[in-house]
Amino acid sequence: GIQVEQSPPDLILQEGANSTLRCNFSDSVNNLQWFHQNPWGQLINLFYIPSGTKQNGRLSATTVATERYSLLYISSSQTTDSGVYFCAVELRNTGNQFYFGTGTSLTVIP
Amino acid sequence: GAGVSQSPRYKVTKRGQDVALRCDPISGHVSLYWYRQALGQGPEFLTYFNYEAQQDKSGLPNDRFSAERPEGSISTLTIQRTEQRDSAMYRCASSFGSGNTIYFGEGSWLTVV
Repeated sequence: GIQVEQSPPDLILQEGANSTLRCNFSDSVNNLQWFHQNPWGQLINLFYIPSGTKQNGRLSATTVATERYSLLYISSSQTTDSGVYFCAVELRNTGNQFYFGTGTSLTVIP
Repeated sequence: GAGVSQSPRYKVTKRGQDVALRCDPISGHVSLYWYRQALGQGPEFLTYFNYEAQQDKSGLPNDRFSAERPEGSISTLTIQRTEQRDSAMYRCASSFGSGNTIYFGEGSWLTVV
C-alpha cells in the first residue's frame, strides 16, 4: 500500500524561528493537503496543493509531484502554531480516500 | 451549514451497547468520508460516500461497523456491540468531489467502558 512519511516526527522551536516539514509519498497522487491539528483536536485545512507552491501568510507549501514529496514552511513561528501537522494524499488511481502521514508534532515555546 | 457538523461530540458507552454517530456535511458537498483517529495517530479511512452511494467501505474494520447516507446529505456511522478497542475519535469530512479540498468536522470522541 501507499506509504506517507513525515519528518521530523517531533520539533521544538523558539518563538520566531522558521521550520520546514516534509512529506514523502510512494505513489502518484491526485490530491495532497496539509492539515493542522490544534491542541483542541480540531483538524484545520492549511493547503490543497497537489503540485506547485502556495503561500498563506507565514505559511507556504510546495509539492513536487514528480519527485513525490511536499514541504510545509512555517516562518516566524508563534505559540499558536503548536500542534500536529499532517499531510494527506489521495491516490491518482483509486481516489476516494485520503492516506494520512504519521504527523509532525510541533511545539513552539515563548 | 457553514461547516461539517458532528454529533454527539462526546459519547461514553458501555461495552456491548450500540452507538450511532451523526455527520451533517457542508451544504452542496457530494462526497462524504468517515475516518477514525486513535490517540497519537493520524486519521485512518473508514468509508466514503458519493451522494447516497457508499462507494468504498474498505476501511470498516469488521461487520459491527456500518454507515449510511440515505438522502445524500446527513450520514450516520453505527457501531454495534461496542468493544473497548472501538474507543477513538471518529471524524467526518466532506468535499465537492474527488480532487477537491476536504473539510473535517470537530469529531466525535467515543469511549467504551
